[in-house]
Amino acid sequence: DTAVSQTPKYLVTQMGNDKSIKCEQNLGHDTMYWYKQDSKKFLKIMFSYNNKELIINETVPNRFSPKSPDKAHLNLHINSLELGDSAVYFCASSQPKSGKEQYFGPGTRLTVT
Amino acid sequence: GNSVTQMEGPVTLSEEAFLTINCTYTATGYPSLFWYVQYPGEGLQLLLKATKADDKGSNKGFEATYRKETTSFHLEKGSVQVSDSAVYFCALDSSYKLIFGSGTRLLVRP
Repeated sequence: DTAVSQTPKYLVTQMGNDKSIKCEQNLGHDTMYWYKQDSKKFLKIMFSYNNKELIINETVPNRFSPKSPDKAHLNLHINSLELGDSAVYFCASSQPKSGKEQYFGPGTRLTVT
Repeated sequence: GNSVTQMEGPVTLSEEAFLTINCTYTATGYPSLFWYVQYPGEGLQLLLKATKADDKGSNKGFEATYRKETTSFHLEKGSVQVSDSAVYFCALDSSYKLIFGSGTRLLVRP
């Protein structure tokens, strides 16, 4: 059983396109996240959602729009893709009231050409 | 603001050598601390955690102790294996997000 899953695993697209990445967790957690890992492996938070409500938007361009249809899903839509958006995007989830550790999905490697 | 500083890599060791990866943090209050590991081509896996001062987290032979006095959470393992080759991230919890260090790549040679 996969705890946090993401689709697709790889995404290659051209500049200017719009794309989405989907994330689902079956852990029953209330909080979900998106992180971006750049080419130097540096990890930075993008968004946090708690019970489907946006908690953190960490200075991410408006072209990125997260959507949480329910507590188990947090999708990431990206408009007008740019070369600098190329990275690995990780979804994660946690249950803050019972421990602060976050569980990560396998990542989506986005390449913008 | 809160931050995490890790030692620069790569760290190259021979099998069965002793490992230390240094991690220090800056934070208000006493956040939970974590070590995550990322194997090539994979996501992040929680390796161990500590939630308060003097706690020792341990898993798979790895250990780290939450030191409030030195604001440190160094990762140690007594005898590394080739299969431990990966990137290791120190992180702290900061209000609905994790703040990560820059990661330390470990390469273990047979």
